[in-house]
Amino acid sequence: ETGVTQSPTHLIKTRGQQVTLRCSSQSGHNTVSWYQQALGQGPQFIFQYYREEENGRGNFPPRFSGLQFPNYSSELNVNALELDDSALYLCASSLSASRDTQYFGPGTRLTVL
Amino acid sequence: DQQVKQNSPSLSVQEGRISILNCDYTNSMFDYFLWYKKYPAEGPTFLISISSIKDKNEDGRFTVFLNKSAKHLSLHIVPSQPGDSAVYFCAASAEEGTYKYIFGTGTRLKVLA
Repeated sequence: ETGVTQSPTHLIKTRGQQVTLRCSSQSGHNTVSWYQQALGQGPQFIFQYYREEENGRGNFPPRFSGLQFPNYSSELNVNALELDDSALYLCASSLSASRDTQYFGPGTRLTVL
Repeated sequence: DQQVKQNSPSLSVQEGRISILNCDYTNSMFDYFLWYKKYPAEGPTFLISISSIKDKNEDGRFTVFLNKSAKHLSLHIVPSQPGDSAVYFCAASAEEGTYKYIFGTGTRLKVLA
């Protein structure tokens, strides 16, 4: 059984650019959640997708957007990058949109210069 | 507003002794709590959870205690092993918006051989 994978591992962008991060869910999981983890902080919920529809959103501006594909892989897009967007971005997949355990990928480290 | 707090950034324990990691929360609507463990360069790994209808849940060396009146939970690891050295996050969710986990800032546990 393949776990949750994320790409790329590391990424460096400059302020104002756009970035796309990718996540491949664990087999059989139809729900994916994205989190931002700043240095020294815990993961902060960005949004969740369930069967290709957004199923809830945290306190992040609209320039953070996402997609979930029919195979349940997912993308996180961030437009107009700001320095404060530098963080580890984690995706987590789960069997459903309820309280099933969320399984995390290793994350993408984004640095905005 | 930090709804889930882990006030000890770090903890050192001798191998074989008990490790106790603490977590406090402020939102009385939280009714489901989890602990995750995170090694460097890996995503958080689910450890154990507890529903608010219980005050204790045990899984092998790991036990989580919940004190609803004090809005406090703790994770006990007995006996501690060097492989337990990691950052531990507690997380909580409320019945409404069950998909959204609120994480604490983490406690770095070091188990000394």
